[in-house]
Amino acid sequence: AQTVTQSQPEMSVQEAETVTLSCTYDTSENNYYLFWYKQPPSRQMILVIRQEAYKQQNATENRFSVNFQKAAKSFSLKISDSQLGDTAMYFCAFRPDSNYQLIWGAGTKLIIKP
Amino acid sequence: GAGVSQSPRYKVAKRGQDVALRCDPISGHVSLFWYQQALGQGPEFLTYFQNEAQLDKSGLPSDRFFAERPEGSVSTLKIQRTQQEDSAVYLCASSPGQGPSYEQYFGPGTRLTVT
Repeated sequence: AQTVTQSQPEMSVQEAETVTLSCTYDTSENNYYLFWYKQPPSRQMILVIRQEAYKQQNATENRFSVNFQKAAKSFSLKISDSQLGDTAMYFCAFRPDSNYQLIWGAGTKLIIKP
Repeated sequence: GAGVSQSPRYKVAKRGQDVALRCDPISGHVSLFWYQQALGQGPEFLTYFQNEAQLDKSGLPSDRFFAERPEGSVSTLKIQRTQQEDSAVYLCASSPGQGPSYEQYFGPGTRLTVT
């Protein structure tokens, strides 16, 4: 079975600090995509960043970057210079090339304190 | 431009009632997904449409759940004889293509409460 594990139910940091959210996954697939989604209190899910498994270079989107370790099946999200608007639930998700399903972790609640 | 919309935003149903949840995807999007998100959990895949064809319904939890997208645009998720365990937020997402590299755009969800 394919699973995604987020081991941090909740994290809290001060504004402007850097925070890293962890995610591990389990799969026997070779080709897949990994995603981090943000779900603010309004509940609309928004894509933060994506990584293709065959690309060795870690994806970066402005203040958001990932540390993708394929052998370890680890996909952590780093948020630099955190802002109050980053407060949200963050979900790690995985989608193999072989089917249509996004498989999600349980989420990490991130609170940015002023 | 308009994003994915869902209606109603909130629905309260008595146990045993039938409900219908609507999803309006972004115009022209080929792919449409339904997810179920229980309180405090990540979403779980329910079903997938490519245009009007339902290509994967393996996530539907029981035969009380039925989804359709007859004209390849608007989709409806129907739950018959609702049970308390059906209480959740139902999320719809659409995507411009069919492969996993395409971003999924999510609607705001419908919160279903079964009493």
